[in-house]
Amino acid sequence: GIQVEQSPPDLILQEGANSTLRCNFSDSVNNLQWFHQNPWGQLINLFYIPSGTKQNGRLSATTVATERYSLLYISSSQTTDSGVYFCAVGLTSGTYKYIFGTGTRLKVLA
Amino acid sequence: DSGVTQTPKHLITATGQRVTLRCSPRSGDLSVYWYQQSLDQGLQFLIQYYNGEERAKGNILERFSAQQFPDLHSELNLSSLELGDSALYFCASSPWEGNYGYTFGSGTRLTVV
Repeated sequence: GIQVEQSPPDLILQEGANSTLRCNFSDSVNNLQWFHQNPWGQLINLFYIPSGTKQNGRLSATTVATERYSLLYISSSQTTDSGVYFCAVGLTSGTYKYIFGTGTRLKVLA
Repeated sequence: DSGVTQTPKHLITATGQRVTLRCSPRSGDLSVYWYQQSLDQGLQFLIQYYNGEERAKGNILERFSAQQFPDLHSELNLSSLELGDSALYFCASSPWEGNYGYTFGSGTRLTVV
């Protein structure tokens, strides 16, 4: 089945720093989302981005579907950005489920 | 508030028992998805319903079942519970049948003792 790999697995930043999270996937996909799971366990949708680039405040994401990767950029990080970031991909055929990566655990220090 | 409502938020029960988790999708969304998040397995897809019909099945145990009612809310039934069923159970909804952007509920944390 499709493999979704996220890197780095863990990241510690000082407040105000920038970071790039990467998601690689092993097969063609027609949907991709980035989620943030906060320390209370809530899964928050950041971007629905099957291709192209989107920006929302300090966050932006780029997906290059032909090369099977997506990037999530966090600029001027804040302590509230701490948590786990998941990439989830939807396949081009067959099922309607998302396959989740193992996540990047981010800790932002004040 | 994401618009997807899950109840209860926390549930503690004993092994062998049966529980029901409830999910109300966002207004207008017809698809409901159930996911399980455990420490060792990550986020795993369980099952999807679209407008009352089962559409896709994932790694759902035979002890688990789900349904979607005419008002589009969904229930996930877990029976003969084991310690290993302790996990966060998430419900998500999306407007259509296919794989579009999900919105997740806040989850139900199940602890089996």
